[in-house]
Amino acid sequence: GAVVSQHPSWVICKSGTSVKIECRSLDFQATTMFWYRQFPKQSLMLMATSNEGSKATYEQGVEKDKFLINHASLTLSTLTVTSAHPEDSSFYICSAQLLPAGTEAFFGQGTRLTVV
Amino acid sequence: RKEVEQDPGPFNVPEGATVAFNCTYSNSASQSFFWYRQDCRKEPKLLMSVYSSGNEDGRFTAQLNRASQYISLLIRDSKLSDSATYLCVVNIGNDYKLSFGAGTTVTVRA
Repeated sequence: GAVVSQHPSWVICKSGTSVKIECRSLDFQATTMFWYRQFPKQSLMLMATSNEGSKATYEQGVEKDKFLINHASLTLSTLTVTSAHPEDSSFYICSAQLLPAGTEAFFGQGTRLTVV
Repeated sequence: RKEVEQDPGPFNVPEGATVAFNCTYSNSASQSFFWYRQDCRKEPKLLMSVYSSGNEDGRFTAQLNRASQYISLLIRDSKLSDSATYLCVVNIGNDYKLSFGAGTTVTVRA
């Protein structure tokens, strides 16, 4: 199946700093990628839809100025958590899907962010 | 009401047992349905898609009931390696967005 690579797999940062997470589709082009956040024992919550060459679409309640998304190429989307705080500590996962819409989603390995 | 709801479990079963659980979805326009497996601190991985006629993959059987808006997963002859959280995932409409259930935890004991 298709491969999505996410990096880093874990990161610890100090409050107030910014962290960039990369999501790459290795063997296919993804015009659309998705960023999720998952807290312990909870569901994956969609944060935003990353659109190649245009602005990301954020879900209600997600601050676009805090979670910056850039999708500059068909194989790379980045999520930057700006001015991180301990409450931003979570598991962040990206995904991409092949056409047509509604087919299997392929997930990156996830990034466990801990803000201290 | 959540778009996708699951019994969180946990379902604790002995090896060799059969375990089954459901997932309900709220949007009758939902078009695609999946079961994903997620191990602790890992990304979800596709277990199987769910087709209207129901489908089977080895020890796993998935069913879709559109009238009652639920899908089910049945695991036969449970193995220790089946211990995981099973996520019900629904695609609504013609875009790529997926809605996730919170997951059903299954623990298979020796």
